[in-house]
Amino acid sequence: GEDVEQSLFLSVREGDSSVINCTYTDSSSTYLYWYKQEPGAGLQLLTYIFSNMDMKQDQRLTVLLNKKDKHLSLRIADTQTGDSAIYFCAESFNDYKLSFGAGTTVTVRA
Amino acid sequence: KAGVTQTPRYLIKTRGQQVTLSCSPISGHRSVSWYQQTPGQGLQFLFEYFSETQRNKGNFPGRFSGRQFSNSRSEMNVSTLELGDSALYLCASSWGQGLGQYFGPGTRLTVT
Repeated sequence: GEDVEQSLFLSVREGDSSVINCTYTDSSSTYLYWYKQEPGAGLQLLTYIFSNMDMKQDQRLTVLLNKKDKHLSLRIADTQTGDSAIYFCAESFNDYKLSFGAGTTVTVRA
Repeated sequence: KAGVTQTPRYLIKTRGQQVTLSCSPISGHRSVSWYQQTPGQGLQFLFEYFSETQRNKGNFPGRFSGRQFSNSRSEMNVSTLELGDSALYLCASSWGQGLGQYFGPGTRLTVT
């Protein structure tokens, strides 16, 4: 997605925290999402946040939103080998047409 | 609840042919969206249907079309296939605005 940028790769040690960053350009974005894609699979919705929120926590996942800087991050606590996947950030104005970033490949090493 | 299902999972077609892909949303979901995923272009929005009406459309040529039935199941059709249409086609369904989109496993289309 041309309107959403992510770093392409992240390597993290098992048990550490992972932080995946994303920036978006559309200030009218109302909904921001994180999806996970494992090899040969579709996209799994991890979590989403409304633009009027700063933070959302869901078990090991924490989403932080800086609306002023149009910056979104996903923190995964206690990263496990099963967290190795591609993570996509996405934004939408109306929640029906999503614009995705290129995806961040997360590799968890022992 | 069963998830979003897509059929077929894999498809091989020849240039110039046409193809129809099918998507069954999660029970109760009335919005169905389609996306194309390729290594070069990433994930791109094709179109979205709600109550049998196309509500949103992406920037794809007219060879790409879709429809939704009264039971919310959706199909997308690609006519006059080109090599560049080789991709993973993903369908997503949603119950309503602000509740997130849930994706199926995709249909891998290869055009030779």
